[in-house]
Amino acid sequence: KAGVTQTPRYLIKTRGQQVTLSCSPISGHRSVSWYQQTPGQGLQFLFEYFSETQRNKGNFPGRFSGRQFSNSRSEMNVSTLELGDSALYLCASSFTSGGSSYEQYFGPGTRLTVT
Amino acid sequence: AQSVTQLGSHVSVSEGALVLLRCNYSSSVPPYLFWYVQYPNQGLQLLLKYTSAATLVKGINGFEAEFKKSETSFHLTKPSAHMSDAAEYFCAVSDREGGGNKLTFGTGTQLKVEL
Repeated sequence: KAGVTQTPRYLIKTRGQQVTLSCSPISGHRSVSWYQQTPGQGLQFLFEYFSETQRNKGNFPGRFSGRQFSNSRSEMNVSTLELGDSALYLCASSFTSGGSSYEQYFGPGTRLTVT
Repeated sequence: AQSVTQLGSHVSVSEGALVLLRCNYSSSVPPYLFWYVQYPNQGLQLLLKYTSAATLVKGINGFEAEFKKSETSFHLTKPSAHMSDAAEYFCAVSDREGGGNKLTFGTGTQLKVEL
């Protein structure tokens, strides 16, 4: 099975712009979660989507949003970029049964640099 | 809220020596615990998981971890370190409230393996 894929792998944006990151989960996985990784704050949970619905949300401002499509692919969007949004954004997918999700498998990440 | 604490941000061992990476958890419910490894410029790779079955869990690459409820610990060990084990290791706990799948990570331990 193919793993979790994320596009693009690297991105450079300017303050004030917006950006959209894409994630394709492992085939058969319906839960997709997003995490932000920075040297200062470590790994932080952004949100989780399951069956096109946001099931969990982390403590991030409303500039961070996401969505999931019927094929389980997910996108996250960051509007009005700030320098502090520079980070590695990781997507993870997991298998779900009976409403419960199992271990998460991570993609390679998208490295976002805001200048 | 669930949390994990990783003691030691940097651990250095000699090749062939025992690897011991420490993780303590805090959870009001029986936890699901995970260890992930991250190599430079890559995403997270699942090493092993504890989901309330056997307390001694074996993972990939010769790693194992033991769940000790009395000590609220889930330390990661490997009998003999290899140069290829040099990486950053993250302990994580899963918040499964409402069937969700949010992972809370520790701050990570950078493992250095010396000749």
